[in-house]
Amino acid sequence: EPEVTQTPSHQVTQMGQEVILRCVPISNHLYFYWYRQILGQKVEFLVSFYNNEISEKSEIFDDQFSVERPDGSNFTLKIRSTKLEDSAMYFCASSPRQPSYNSPLHFGNGTRLTVT
Amino acid sequence: TQLLEQSPQFLSIQEGENLTVYCNSSSVFSSLQWYRQEPGEGPVLLVTVVTGGEVKKLKRLTFQFGDARKDSSLHITAAQTGDTGLYLCAGSPLSGAGSYQLTFGKGTKLSVIP
Repeated sequence: EPEVTQTPSHQVTQMGQEVILRCVPISNHLYFYWYRQILGQKVEFLVSFYNNEISEKSEIFDDQFSVERPDGSNFTLKIRSTKLEDSAMYFCASSPRQPSYNSPLHFGNGTRLTVT
Repeated sequence: TQLLEQSPQFLSIQEGENLTVYCNSSSVFSSLQWYRQEPGEGPVLLVTVVTGGEVKKLKRLTFQFGDARKDSSLHITAAQTGDTGLYLCAGSPLSGAGSYQLTFGKGTKLSVIP
């Protein structure tokens, strides 16, 4: 069964550094997402991406965050200047249709980002 | 802001027992999805319930969507140690603003003891 793959599985970075988290969504899916989960807290929506542009973003997704689909397969999340509070599991997900059409999301296994 | 409350937060039971976990909201959702998450992994979809009052069965797991599409329950019959994990519910929004994002509950952490 096709799956969403994320790299790296664990990233350690120093405060103020830039990080890029990478994802390969399921190939025939059209909608792509980033969610994060701070340890012990719920999964939170960051951003959705469709047709090569951001379709929706949350308050968490401020100017320090950006997303890109540089080619036909990769989907990246960049954090320009990391803060301690950015430490979390970051999940990429994809779906064939948008959630309001009851389309389930397929999640990757996440990247654990640790900011020191 | 749509919120989903899951209860109980933690549940520890003996193998063979039955259990029910709940997912409640004051908001209406177009559907609710149940995911299971293992430590260090992403959520894995178990089921999507769409129609108010709908009941879906997945082997020993029974999922129900409330008539008003605001709440859902997951019932596990004769729990096994392999059922141990974090069970998350997530609501799909109605169309309009916020229609691209799922709202997750905090989850119920289930431990099944042999």
